[in-house]
Amino acid sequence: AQSVAQPEDQVNVAEGNPLTVKCTYSVSGNPYLFWYVQYPNRGLQFLLKYITGDNLVKGSYGFEAEFNKSQTSFHLKKPSALVSDSALYFCAVRDWNYGQNFVFGPGTRLSVLP
Amino acid sequence: GAVVSQHPSWVICKSGTSVKIECRSLDFQATTMFWYRQFPKQSLMLMATSNEGSKATYEQGVEKDKFLINHASLTLSTLTVTSAHPEDSSFYICSARDSRGLEETQYFGPGTRLLVL
Repeated sequence: AQSVAQPEDQVNVAEGNPLTVKCTYSVSGNPYLFWYVQYPNRGLQFLLKYITGDNLVKGSYGFEAEFNKSQTSFHLKKPSALVSDSALYFCAVRDWNYGQNFVFGPGTRLSVLP
Repeated sequence: GAVVSQHPSWVICKSGTSVKIECRSLDFQATTMFWYRQFPKQSLMLMATSNEGSKATYEQGVEKDKFLINHASLTLSTLTVTSAHPEDSSFYICSARDSRGLEETQYFGPGTRLLVL
């Protein structure tokens, strides 16, 4: 079975400071990892994904994530947070051995304070 | 990039009525679409996988007679909530898989908020 954990329900950071949103995963095969962002009453917007290759993945809006196989983690990072980054962030995994369906983490609410 | 639309974006209905939500892939054909449900402050839960021209595959605990899914064409899947009750109030999000290319990218719609009174 596959699962995704996001240990923090809420992350608060001051504008201009670096931010990290944590994600750990469990899959039986090779993980395909994703980050999505959701603004209020909106669907999910794709930020970035890791399929293979470099462990550091760069995505939309200045976000990046680092795949760490030994720690089974895929933390989302941004060097300098903006107030407009405040939203709900979901980590997700697709296991090609499990019907290729997404399994989403519980979400982390990011609040960037001015 | 590819776009997935949903209609309506929000709907309010009386208890006992049925509500149909449409999901369309606008610039690609999707043989597979997915329906998710999201409760407030919770993650997305997969309800069912919709395959064009065949019956949907429902996740455990999802009533197939309650949530009717029809994927009649390569660009349209519909979810009908039959005899809706207040506990069906939720945010419903569809997703469409673009099978062009090697990675089978999955795109998400903007969601439909359902409120059953």
